[in-house]
Amino acid sequence: QVQLKESGPGLVQPSQTLSLTCTVSGFSLTSYNVHWVRQPPGKGLEWMGVIWSGGNTDYNSALKPRLSISRDTSKSQVFLTMNSLQTEDTGIYYCNRNSGSYWGQGVMVTVSS
Amino acid sequence: DIQMTQSPSSMSASLGDRVTITCRASQDIGNYLSWFQQKPGKSPRRMIYGATNLAAGVPSRFSGSRSGSDYSLTISSLESEDMAIYYCLQSIQYPYTFGAGTKLELK
Repeated sequence: QVQLKESGPGLVQPSQTLSLTCTVSGFSLTSYNVHWVRQPPGKGLEWMGVIWSGGNTDYNSALKPRLSISRDTSKSQVFLTMNSLQTEDTGIYYCNRNSGSYWGQGVMVTVSS
Repeated sequence: DIQMTQSPSSMSASLGDRVTITCRASQDIGNYLSWFQQKPGKSPRRMIYGATNLAAGVPSRFSGSRSGSDYSLTISSLESEDMAIYYCLQSIQYPYTFGAGTKLELK
């Protein structure tokens, strides 16, 4: 069955770089797009970016200078890298398939010294 | 960027009530509109896609509709398990954008 699972460090220091992995199963990254969405504590959902099945990417313009999404199709993994983290980047980070048909459980990231 | 204006931000209703939540798009998004339900501590769940299509496994009391640039999610007869926050999402143009959410509570 289709599954996505996010992983990464729970705590990141301000100004440092966040690296998250979305490991998928039950489908091929070359057939489906994978999106990243985040949610600050107690707030709404923010679309961050996508890696297309063909490997191209698109990003939220507000995050684009700091954000990169890549993948390793042989490992069925999608990577999110975001630099210059600030406290307002604290929240739950989700990956999902094809605009939300399937979601991972999310990973909580806290930006704090 | 396309703005999605969602209303109301919160509402309370009784079991068995008919409930409608609306999103208005700032530009034409065709039918590229989905609705998500999120319960506390859980990932969002897609309820409606393509503005009017019921996602797999979603109860038939949920429905989606469109009138011009206004998109609505309707629950025909509210049940206790429907208490959640609901979000709309436009997916016609990058960056995709969510509505601010509607918190649905029991009266």
